[in-house]
Amino acid sequence: GDSVTQMEGPVTLSEEAFLTINCTYTATGYPSLFWYVQYPGEGLQLLLKATKADDKGSNKGFEATYRKETTSFHLEKGSVQVSDSAVYFCALPNRDDKIIFGKGTRLHILP
Amino acid sequence: DTGVSQDPRHKITKRGQNVTFRCDPISEHNRLYWYRQTLGQGPEFLTYFQNEAQLEKSRLLSDRFSAERPKGSFSTLEIQRTEQGDSAMYLCASSLMLAGNNEQFFGPGTRLTVL
Repeated sequence: GDSVTQMEGPVTLSEEAFLTINCTYTATGYPSLFWYVQYPGEGLQLLLKATKADDKGSNKGFEATYRKETTSFHLEKGSVQVSDSAVYFCALPNRDDKIIFGKGTRLHILP
Repeated sequence: DTGVSQDPRHKITKRGQNVTFRCDPISEHNRLYWYRQTLGQGPEFLTYFQNEAQLEKSRLLSDRFSAERPKGSFSTLEIQRTEQGDSAMYLCASSLMLAGNNEQFFGPGTRLTVL
């Protein structure tokens, strides 16, 4: 069945460092791909999405490109901030738009 | 605030007790989803409604779990005879199902601890 695999955390970086969180997927067809973020004490928020191959989703300085050839959707940010500390989930919608999530990657940014 | 709300935010109960959670979706949204998130894992789908009809239940949803959405607005998730393995964050999400766009908006979750 469809699945998502993302790098395990926690990931600890200093402020202004470059961030990459790897995500690969297995799916029938070419679904949309999502990154969700969960800040401490808050619900999941859609961070960005891409709906077809080679699309780049972007938001709040984060980017991810839908790579069909490598079945990947890696999350990147050029300069992280302390406020980016959160748990990040790579995800894709299954049939009926039920979302399949990866296990999440906890990100700690040190000032 | 017109987002998805969930009540209570935290629930501590003893094994064997029944608990009920409530989710209030965004008002015009016709789809409502329940997910469960255990520690260190991503959320897993439990069930979903389109309006008042429950269209699918995951095999994760044992007979002790029941969900309703009686008037197509708010939803309740009840767990009977709770077990320690039920301890998790229960997330609700809603969406307005439109062709090409079904973004789900999540509530803050209800954290259940079964002692």
